[in-house]
Amino acid sequence: DTGVSQNPRHKITKRGQNVTFRCDPISEHNRLYWYRQTLGQGPEFLTYFQNEAQLEKSRLLSDRFSAERPKGSFSTLEIQRTEQGDSAMYLCASTLSGSGYEQYFGPGTRLTVT
Amino acid sequence: EDQVTQSPEALRLQEGESSSLNCSYTVSGLRGLFWYRQDPGKGPEFLFTLYSAGEEKEKERLKATLTKKESFLHITAPKPEDSATYLCAVQAGYGGATNKLIFGTGTLLAVQP
Repeated sequence: DTGVSQNPRHKITKRGQNVTFRCDPISEHNRLYWYRQTLGQGPEFLTYFQNEAQLEKSRLLSDRFSAERPKGSFSTLEIQRTEQGDSAMYLCASTLSGSGYEQYFGPGTRLTVT
Repeated sequence: EDQVTQSPEALRLQEGESSSLNCSYTVSGLRGLFWYRQDPGKGPEFLFTLYSAGEEKEKERLKATLTKKESFLHITAPKPEDSATYLCAVQAGYGGATNKLIFGTGTLLAVQP
């Protein structure tokens, strides 16, 4: 069990550019979550997958954000036309349905939009 | 609206000085309450899950308790390595309506030697 991994760990981009992050969950975990965390705040839910199906999206999630989990394993989160307000830590978590509700988090991707 | 409030925002303790962190919640059907530890620049690390009022769980110097309105994280004889932000989160909703975690803003704990 190698834990949840995320790449890249850090990303600096200019406003208006597109960025994509990757998350590899704990193997055999069928549920995958994306959260966003800004300084001094707790993580805020963005979206959730069970296997390859995206089952829930936050109402706060802009149309510029899209997430996929094509084969029910790794997931990608893309932000189009980045804005300075998108600067945050993007966290991925995974869990196995039926095993309890705890979610295990990855190290996060720190996005800075200049 | 489901809500989680943590207090205090920050806490400074001397090594060995025991204390408690509070997490109060308002949810429509609690499915689970979670405590996480987060070190600077890292993702949250899972500590405990509590499911029903009266439940308690322990791990080393940490003990988590749950009532119908709040949870406490008791830290006994803390050490400097216990310094971190402690996050509380709830999972709410009947019948599996949602699987998301709703987090509080955390308590920043600093333990001085």
